[in-house]
Amino acid sequence: QSVLTQPPSVSGAPGQRVTISCTGSSSNIGAGYDVQWYQQLPGTAPKLLIYDNRNRPSGVPDRFSGSKSGTSASLAITGLQAEDEADYYCQSHDSSLSGSLVFGGGTKLTVL
Amino acid sequence: QVQLQESGPGLVKPSDTLSLTCDVSGYSISSGYYWAWIRQPPGKGLEWIGSIYHSGSTYHNPSLKSRVTISVDTSKNHFSLNLGSVTAADTAVYYCARSGTAVITPITYWGQGALVTVSS
Repeated sequence: QSVLTQPPSVSGAPGQRVTISCTGSSSNIGAGYDVQWYQQLPGTAPKLLIYDNRNRPSGVPDRFSGSKSGTSASLAITGLQAEDEADYYCQSHDSSLSGSLVFGGGTKLTVL
Repeated sequence: QVQLQESGPGLVKPSDTLSLTCDVSGYSISSGYYWAWIRQPPGKGLEWIGSIYHSGSTYHNPSLKSRVTISVDTSKNHFSLNLGSVTAADTAVYYCARSGTAVITPITYWGQGALVTVSS
């Protein structure tokens, strides 16, 4: 079981808005560790999408946004496009695991 | 542009040691940053294995720590992973990656991944 909990799948029609949750605990997200989000297109390596809870690397469209509150974080995608169909992973660190880097189990986004 | 490339055997026998190397181009490992190994079993999620600083300081996933050795060779600009006593559960795509100047920083660069199958 992953330390960070994500829904296995979400879906939405083109143009719609979807959100993906990432639930942690007081030893990771709740302890103040930042949350990152990665996008993994089929057959490729993950790509950093959001860092430090809400920041976008250069080149990532502003349709993608991140937020964090308490022991949870969320990724929102607006104006859904077919090319957004991918797996999405949240990532943080956990003090109960000696500061280990931890990932969520991943969420498969399907664009209907 | 930083590029990372994993290399090593694609097939390893059970109980043997899995060995992979990550060649780094476009950046000198000795200049800093943390360098990591992450794996992904087929059809499953991502698992951090461990990270190493250019000085040689290492951090490991506690669940794998007793079997993992991560090392860096700045003269060859590469870093390596050894995972001992492998079983079928260690079959995965292994990624090498780079994070920031502290271990708790985002992973900004990834290799393309190398599939390693554990089977007799």
